[in-house]
Amino acid sequence: AQRVTQPEKLLSVFKGAPVELKCNYSYSGSPELFWYVQYSRQRLQLLLRHISRESIKGFTADLNKGETSFHLKKPFAQEEDSAMYYCAANSGYALNFGKGTSLLVTP
Amino acid sequence: DAGITQSPRHKVTETGTPVTLRCHQTENHRYMYWYRQDPGHGLRLIHYSYGVKDTDKGEVSDGYSVSRSKTEDFLLTLESATSSQTSVYFCAIRRHEDTGELFFGEGSRLTVL
Repeated sequence: AQRVTQPEKLLSVFKGAPVELKCNYSYSGSPELFWYVQYSRQRLQLLLRHISRESIKGFTADLNKGETSFHLKKPFAQEEDSAMYYCAANSGYALNFGKGTSLLVTP
Repeated sequence: DAGITQSPRHKVTETGTPVTLRCHQTENHRYMYWYRQDPGHGLRLIHYSYGVKDTDKGEVSDGYSVSRSKTEDFLLTLESATSSQTSVYFCAIRRHEDTGELFFGEGSRLTVL
C-alpha cells in the first residue's frame, strides 16, 4: 500500500542544535514529495517540495530513492521552528500525508 | 492565503444533528479537497472534487457527503453527526494541475457532544 511514514510523534531539541525530521515513503517510482508546516492552530503551509529543491526558512530535504526517504533537516534550530511538520506524497489525485511530527525547540 | 475561506470556523453541535461545512474559493480552480485532522492520525482525505458535480471518496468518507454545484463552493455534510467526527476539517485547493501541491484553508473546528 502507498504510505507515508513519519516515525517520530515528537522531537525536542535545543535552540541552535541540528534537527532532522524523518519521512519514509512506500511509493513506486518517483513520487512528488512535500513538507508542510503548521504553526499553532493555523493553516498548513507548504515548506518545500523536492522538485524545486529550494531552501525555505533554512530547511532542506533530500530525496533518497535507495532508502525511500525524504528527511527534513536544518543545521541550527530556532524557537520559532516549533510547529507540527507533515510529510506528504502525491498519490495522483490528492496528497497522502504522514501522521506528523511535533517539533519543540527549547531555549 | 486569500482565495480560500471556510465557514463556520468553529461549531459545537449535538450527536445526531446534521452539519454542513462550506469551502469557498475565489480563484476558479478545478480541484478541491476536504481533509480531517486528528491527533495521531495526521490529515486524512474525506472527499475531493475535480469539477462541478464531479466528486470522489477519500480514505475516510463514511458518514460524510459532499456537493459541488458551482466551481467556487465545495460543501461537506455530516448527515447525522457522531462524536467520532469531532475534528478539525481543512479544505484545500490545487492551484496548478501539473503538481500535487495544495493550498489550505484555515480550518473548521467541529465539536460533536
